[in-house]
Amino acid sequence: GQQLNQSPQSMFIQEGEDVSMNCTSSSIFNTWLWYKQDPGEGPVLLIALYKAGELTSNGRLTAQFGITRKDSFLNISASIPSDVGIYFCAGRGAQKLVFGQGTRLTINP
Amino acid sequence: NAGVTQTPKFQVLKTGQSMTLQCAQDMNHEYMSWYRQDPGMGLRLIHYSVGAGITDQGEVPNGYNVSRSTTEDFPLRLLSAAPSQTSVYFCASSFDRWGNQPQHFGDGTRLSIL
Repeated sequence: GQQLNQSPQSMFIQEGEDVSMNCTSSSIFNTWLWYKQDPGEGPVLLIALYKAGELTSNGRLTAQFGITRKDSFLNISASIPSDVGIYFCAGRGAQKLVFGQGTRLTINP
Repeated sequence: NAGVTQTPKFQVLKTGQSMTLQCAQDMNHEYMSWYRQDPGMGLRLIHYSVGAGITDQGEVPNGYNVSRSTTEDFPLRLLSAAPSQTSVYFCASSFDRWGNQPQHFGDGTRLSIL
């Protein structure tokens, strides 16, 4: 089946640093989504991308839908303690979402 | 606005027992789905439904049954629990029947099979 490779698997950074993570796929997707999951909760949508080449921002978060439709990246600028959590990318195929393995972000104050 | 509600939040079962995980949404969403989350593997789709009376298999459907008798509810049944089904289960819904709109997730059910 379709698979997404998300990297890095984990990140340990200092507060205030910028963060970058990405997802790649062997398949083309029509939609890319980025979610954040806090401990004990379900994933919460951060950004949705619907067009190849689209660059979208949500506060300190910026995400892009790759031109080839096989990749996407998420950047977080000036990280703060509440950014800690697991970030997931997801690509939408026919009626189904395929998720990456997640990037666990840890921030040292 | 409750969104997507899952019950129970925690459950421990013995091998061979059966149980139903409940999922309800109050947003009149057509599309509903069940995922399981295991360490290092992201979320994997178990079953999904594009509307009342319609269900289909996802990536890992074996050992699970679903039904969709109403728009609001989408229960997941474990027929005979196995230790390999120990996981965190998430229900999600989205507005359109094709899942084109972003999915909204519940807070999960943490299931342990002994």
